[in-house]
Amino acid sequence: KAGVTQTPRYLIKTRGQQVTLSCSPISGHRSVSWYQQTPGQGLQFLFEYFSETQRNKGNFPGRFSGRQFSNSRSEMNVSTLELGDSALYLCASSDGQYNEQFFGPGTRLTVL
Amino acid sequence: GENVEQHPSTLSVQEGDSAVIKCTYSDSASNYFPWYKQELGKGPQLIIDIRSNVGEKKDQRIAVTLNKTAKHFSLHITETQPEDSAVYFCAASSYGQNFVFGPGTRLSVLP
Repeated sequence: KAGVTQTPRYLIKTRGQQVTLSCSPISGHRSVSWYQQTPGQGLQFLFEYFSETQRNKGNFPGRFSGRQFSNSRSEMNVSTLELGDSALYLCASSDGQYNEQFFGPGTRLTVL
Repeated sequence: GENVEQHPSTLSVQEGDSAVIKCTYSDSASNYFPWYKQELGKGPQLIIDIRSNVGEKKDQRIAVTLNKTAKHFSLHITETQPEDSAVYFCAASSYGQNFVFGPGTRLSVLP
C-alpha cells in the first residue's frame, strides 16, 4: 500500500502571497489531519477533515484553511503569508475510526 | 484542553544501553497514546502505540507502558543501536481525534 504523499516537498514564497499544499492519504483512509511543525512550537494541530467535512480545528487564524475532496485528497491553503508561517507542514491520514495516524514526508514552506 | 509534557528533551546513551522517555498528559478523556520517530528530513513514523485498556505493549526492542491513574506513559528502547538516533514524539488522543503532541526528545546513540 502506498503511503501518504504530499506535494510539493519544498516551497519558497514571499510575504503577502498565498500558498496551497496538497495531501493524498493512504488508500481507503477517509481522515486527513494537517499539522504545522516548527522548532519553537513543535507539532501543532491545524485541522482534520473526515469524509469531506472539517471535523476538528486547532487554534490557528482564519488565514489557514483546508478542504477535502470526494477521493479523500486534501488541500491546505494559507493566505497573506507571514514570515512566521515558515514551517514544515505535515499531513497525516487515518481511517478515522479510532485507529493509527500515518504521516507524510511534509512540505517545507519558507516565507521570505 | 489536553497538555502533553515530555522528558527529557535530549538523551544520549551508549550503543547497547536502554533508553527511556516519559510523557504525562492532563486530560483523563485521552485513551490512545502513540509514539513517533522522526528522522532528519522525514515525517514522523509511528513506531508503537497503546490504548487505555492496556497497561503495557511490546514490539521487539520497543515497549510502551501506561499508568492511567498517574496519567503518564513511557517509551522503552532496549539494546539501542545507532539507527535509533532520531527525535521521538509522544502524543495523546481521544478516540483517534484531537492529537496533542509532546515537544519531542532528541535521542543520540553513541557507538
